[in-house]
Amino acid sequence: SAVISQKPSRDICQRGTSLTIQCQVDSQVTMMFWYRQQPGQSLTLIATANQGSEATYESGFVIDKFPISRPNLTFSTLTVSNMSPEDSSIYLCSVQTTSGRGEQYFGPGTRLTVT
Amino acid sequence: AQSVAQPEDQVNVAEGNPLTVKCTYSVSGNPYLFWYVQYPNRGLQFLLKYITGDNLVKGSYGFEAEFNKSQTSFHLKKPSALVSDSALYFCAVRDGYSGAGSYQLTFGKGTKLSVIP
Repeated sequence: SAVISQKPSRDICQRGTSLTIQCQVDSQVTMMFWYRQQPGQSLTLIATANQGSEATYESGFVIDKFPISRPNLTFSTLTVSNMSPEDSSIYLCSVQTTSGRGEQYFGPGTRLTVT
Repeated sequence: AQSVAQPEDQVNVAEGNPLTVKCTYSVSGNPYLFWYVQYPNRGLQFLLKYITGDNLVKGSYGFEAEFNKSQTSFHLKKPSALVSDSALYFCAVRDGYSGAGSYQLTFGKGTKLSVIP
């Protein structure tokens, strides 16, 4: 398994500002992902964070809105840019174990409220 | 495309009774199936998975799940429910035939389990 921490755990932000969320893993992992969980909803994959290259975004998510960095195998950041109230969600970082058949492990999440 | 359906938004069960949380899936290749649990204000915790082998898989906290290929189902079960099992449960699927570069998990909408004392 992997131990994942996220900072901040929660934040309240004003419309039009940006927030950067950090994800730290206690071991080197190949794959890191960012998910969004809107209030009362399931999880939606935003993007795969690739080490040393641009992230791979899912349909409906773009780099200008959700820039992602992954400078090494244990750390990634997600920025939510030019926020609106619709961005109020829980943002979760997850990692894939080295086995291709393995499960993903999730961080505790960052609860974002945009006013 | 892959998809997951959890037909029940909420399941209520009395403490000590058996519980079942339902999940059906659709993938074009071989399914990799997972169950996660989310407690209030917490991240997702992995419970169990089916990749291959025995259709009945056992996981954390006494939970188990049965893979049924003909019914494309992966229902979560526990013989005797505890009040502390009350949480939100998510079923997820990944297509095992997607190739080495694809690890995308598709989640169901979640089922809220309430265990009544």
